[in-house]
Amino acid sequence: EDQVTQSPEALRLQEGESSSLNCSYTVSGLRGLFWYRQDPGKGPEFLFTLYSAGEEKEKERLKATLTKKESFLHITAPKPEDSATYLCAVPLGGITGRRALTFGSGTRLQVQP
Amino acid sequence: ETGVTQSPTHLIKTRGQQVTLRCSSQSGHNTVSWYQQALGQGPQFIFQYYREEENGRGNFPPRFSGLQFPNYSSELNVNALELDDSALYLCASSLAASGRDEQFFGPGTRLTVL
Repeated sequence: EDQVTQSPEALRLQEGESSSLNCSYTVSGLRGLFWYRQDPGKGPEFLFTLYSAGEEKEKERLKATLTKKESFLHITAPKPEDSATYLCAVPLGGITGRRALTFGSGTRLQVQP
Repeated sequence: ETGVTQSPTHLIKTRGQQVTLRCSSQSGHNTVSWYQQALGQGPQFIFQYYREEENGRGNFPPRFSGLQFPNYSSELNVNALELDDSALYLCASSLAASGRDEQFFGPGTRLTVL
């Protein structure tokens, strides 16, 4: 069964303390892995897509990497405004552009000043 | 470029009632997906609409139904509401011909069932 698991469930960092979030997946035939950021009570905001092992994407203090079994979201020198829930998702089956996404439960990140 | 919009923002209903949630897709997008997100969980896929037809469905009962209109906007209808239907309902749009699976989400509708 296709699954996406995120760890840790929650992470508290001091401002400037770098760390990584993990997303492991068991999907037959990966067709991309997506990272989203979600603020409380809001919809997920798209961050990155990764398609192949070894691929990396960066945006400000965030860098996403992908291996054959997992993805990492590295946060370098985080600021309080980086506090949010970070979700990863993979598309399942079907036709490109019309695939449902299955999500992990997310990592709640809190960055304290 | 207009993003995904949803209405209403919040809604309170009682058990057994029916509810309709609305979504306007991002400009140029022709595919709409609906997700249910319980507190502390990731979004769960309900169904997807492409060219006004249901294109796929998650593990949700038939009392969850939907529509897509010619302008690609969409509705989610839930009949016979249950307490467990309380959640954030998210609409996401995408472009089927893009060759990519990224979906872009609206702000959500918070449904509370009492």
